[in-house]
Amino acid sequence: ETGVTQSPTHLIKTRGQQVTLRCSSQSGHNTVSWYQQALGQGPQFIFQYYREEENGRGNFPPRFSGLQFPNYSSELNVNALELDDSALYLCASSRGGSNQPQHFGDGTRLSIL
Amino acid sequence: TQLLEQSPQFLSIQEGENLTVYCNSSSVFSSLQWYRQEPGEGPVLLVTVVTGGEVKKLKRLTFQFGDARKDSSLHITAAQPGDTGLYLCSISSGSARQLTFGSGTQLTVLP
Repeated sequence: ETGVTQSPTHLIKTRGQQVTLRCSSQSGHNTVSWYQQALGQGPQFIFQYYREEENGRGNFPPRFSGLQFPNYSSELNVNALELDDSALYLCASSRGGSNQPQHFGDGTRLSIL
Repeated sequence: TQLLEQSPQFLSIQEGENLTVYCNSSSVFSSLQWYRQEPGEGPVLLVTVVTGGEVKKLKRLTFQFGDARKDSSLHITAAQPGDTGLYLCSISSGSARQLTFGSGTQLTVLP
């Protein structure tokens, strides 16, 4: 069983640029959630995708957007990057339905210069 | 104000010692999860506690959910260097059942 994989593992961008992060969900999982983890903090929920639709959103501005594809993989896009966007971005997948455990990938470390 | 307060924030101990870390809130939860995150990796689910007063054991790790379901503790017996990591508690809520995490306890076990 293949786990959650994320790419790239590290990325360096400058302020104002745009970035796309990718996530392949675990086999059999149709729900993908994205989290931002700043240094020394717990992860914060950005949004969730289920059956290619946004299924919930945390307190993040519209320049954070996403997609889910028919094979349940997902992308996180961030426009107009700011210094505070520097963080570890984690993707988690789960089976549909309430109280299903979320399985995390190892994240993409994004640094904004 | 954090929904989940974890303490201590940092803990450094010698191999073989025992330790307890805490996760507290003023809210009541239907369930609570504990994760461990090692450097360069994503969080890994250790346990979910559901019933007030519940105690779950995972080898040398003992998890307890408070009677009022507002708090939880994680006790590690005879800590080993492999226990080093960030310990996070979380609850699921909202229409997406998204996870809300505490800030974590960074544990370092020295050989």
